[in-house]
Amino acid sequence: EDKVVQSPLSLVVHEGDTVTLNCSYEVTNFRSLLWYKQEKKAPTFLFMLTSSGIEKKSGRLSSILDKKELFSILNITATQTGDSAIYLCAVTQGGSEKLVFGKGTKLTVNP
Amino acid sequence: DGGITQSPKYLFRKEGQNVTLSCEQNLNHDAMYWYRQDPGQGLRLIYYSQIVNDFQKGDIAEGYSVSREKKESFPLTVTSAQKNPTAFYLCASSSRTLLRDYGYTFGSGTRLTVV
Repeated sequence: EDKVVQSPLSLVVHEGDTVTLNCSYEVTNFRSLLWYKQEKKAPTFLFMLTSSGIEKKSGRLSSILDKKELFSILNITATQTGDSAIYLCAVTQGGSEKLVFGKGTKLTVNP
Repeated sequence: DGGITQSPKYLFRKEGQNVTLSCEQNLNHDAMYWYRQDPGQGLRLIYYSQIVNDFQKGDIAEGYSVSREKKESFPLTVTSAQKNPTAFYLCASSSRTLLRDYGYTFGSGTRLTVV
């Protein structure tokens, strides 16, 4: 069975801390791994990863994929209260139009 | 602006009532999806449709029904057979050419509460 597992499920930090969110996957015919941020309502796209070892970066957020060990990490440096959200990891597969989602990591950044 | 619109944002249902959640997109996407989101459960797929007049059950279809009469619209009906319908419902759409790179475009969700 295809599955995506995120850890931790919940995380509370203080402003300024650095956090690492994990996403491991076991799926057939892997195509890409996606990260989304969900604050209150609609998840918004952060990164798409297809190649191992190539870091994607956007401001204080960065992500990398390891296709040999089948996982990805999402790093957030110098966290701010606005980073508080649920972070979703999802995988796309060849021959499928459905994403496989993890359960998400709920990040709370306290001032 | 292209996007995906869900309505209403909040919906209250009495026990035994059917309710319909609306989802409309003007992105010209072929595929549309309905997910249910509960705390700690992640996104669970209810139904999806890859083409007009066709749809498939997802992992938790019992107690729900859908239709896809137009490409732009994919309404979800929560029937009285759904025993625990209180949840946040997300609609999404995708195109084959953009799925790998961006995944879905999501609506803003409908929060359904049974009273």
